[in-house]
Amino acid sequence: AQSVTQLDSHVSVSEGTPVLLRCNYSSSYSPSLFWYVQHPNKGLQLLLKYTSAATLVKGINGFEAEFKKSETSFHLTKPSAHMSDAAEYFCVVKGGADGLTFGKGTHLIIQP
Amino acid sequence: DAGITQSPRHKVTETGTPVTLRCHQTENHRYMYWYRQDPGHGLRLIHYSYGVKDTDKGEVSDGYSVSRSKTEDFLLTLESATSSQTSVYFCAISYEAGRDTGELFFGEGSRLTVL
Repeated sequence: AQSVTQLDSHVSVSEGTPVLLRCNYSSSYSPSLFWYVQHPNKGLQLLLKYTSAATLVKGINGFEAEFKKSETSFHLTKPSAHMSDAAEYFCVVKGGADGLTFGKGTHLIIQP
Repeated sequence: DAGITQSPRHKVTETGTPVTLRCHQTENHRYMYWYRQDPGHGLRLIHYSYGVKDTDKGEVSDGYSVSRSKTEDFLLTLESATSSQTSVYFCAISYEAGRDTGELFFGEGSRLTVL
């Protein structure tokens, strides 16, 4: 069995300040972990993925995430928020031959 | 970008009517998926396909059926639509043609309203 918990349903930051979106997971296997982004009225787009290589993963648009096995976390960060980062973000886990389990999403709001 | 098209993009229908949503891909990828997205639930898998005529159920398959007669097309059918099936439906394909890696490319969604 696997599960994923996104700890914040909404996060609001000012433009130019750091972004932190938190995700905890559980899996019976060594998991693959993903972050997807969804802009309004669009489909989801892969931001980055962890698949048991480097624990610090860099993605598109300046985002990165760190896999911490001891904390079962995969938090998403960005040093400086931009207005175009406003979107819904989904943390996703895949363990072994299981399918994907999506978190419920975090809505990121960027204040000017 | 992978080519994936959903149709229709918007549909309003009445309870009890049949509805078919179509997903068309131009990537020749083996794996295709149908998800529904509802507020507070994230995305939930309805059905998926791992090849022509090869399909399997996801976690919320009740009330839905699928068919895949060609590699490029994956159809989702609601035999008798209910208000609980009002949702946004997303089709996705696996980034890698022959493997289910968990990396998906999504269509832009089909918004279905059942009155």
